[in-house]
Amino acid sequence: EVQLVESGGGLVKPGGSLRLSCAASGFTFSSYSMNWVRQAPGKGLEWVSSISSSSSYIYYADSVKGRFTISRDNAKNSLYLQMNSLRAEDTAVYYCARDEENWGQGTLVTVSS
Amino acid sequence: EIVMTQSPATLSVSPGERATLSCRASQSVSSNLAWYQQKPGQAPRLLIYGASTRATGIPARFSGSGSGTEFTLTISSLQSEDFAVYYCQQYNNWWTFGQGTKVEIK
Repeated sequence: EVQLVESGGGLVKPGGSLRLSCAASGFTFSSYSMNWVRQAPGKGLEWVSSISSSSSYIYYADSVKGRFTISRDNAKNSLYLQMNSLRAEDTAVYYCARDEENWGQGTLVTVSS
Repeated sequence: EIVMTQSPATLSVSPGERATLSCRASQSVSSNLAWYQQKPGQAPRLLIYGASTRATGIPARFSGSGSGTEFTLTISSLQSEDFAVYYCQQYNNWWTFGQGTKVEIK
């Protein structure tokens, strides 16, 4: 069974940093590209970033480009999202997703003073 | 960036009735289109992929159609558990989501 478990969310001040993690199990992690998607409170879904299986290809939404960095450690079956220069509008539940069918339950990031 | 536009924003339907949700892409996404259902406090649940293929365990009352830029999700006879928010998503060029359609009880 595919399992994706996010962690690392919390309360951070504007301008601060946070690193999210996604622990994957139940599949060959190194064979799949991975994605981060977020959802602000009461709002819709927004794709954030994607990384290919070997990290050769990385893409970001314009809203986070230059501030967020996606990475992965295939030896640890883990996906990461380093978030710097955080803004109030980055407040959201952040989901890790392998593909359209397999999503984690999300971790809440709140950016507030 | 491919922009996905869903209509209507809210759909009021009585239990047992049919619901028809629309999704339009700003450029062709071929059949690389998925539909999700989301309930409060839960992650999105995949209903349809490839524009018309039901995901594992999805009831037959859910059906998808379309290709290119115009897509439709039909729920043939709404059950109480179907009242939720529905999103379309293109995965032809990375991912983009529509803004969602809320299906509420009339």
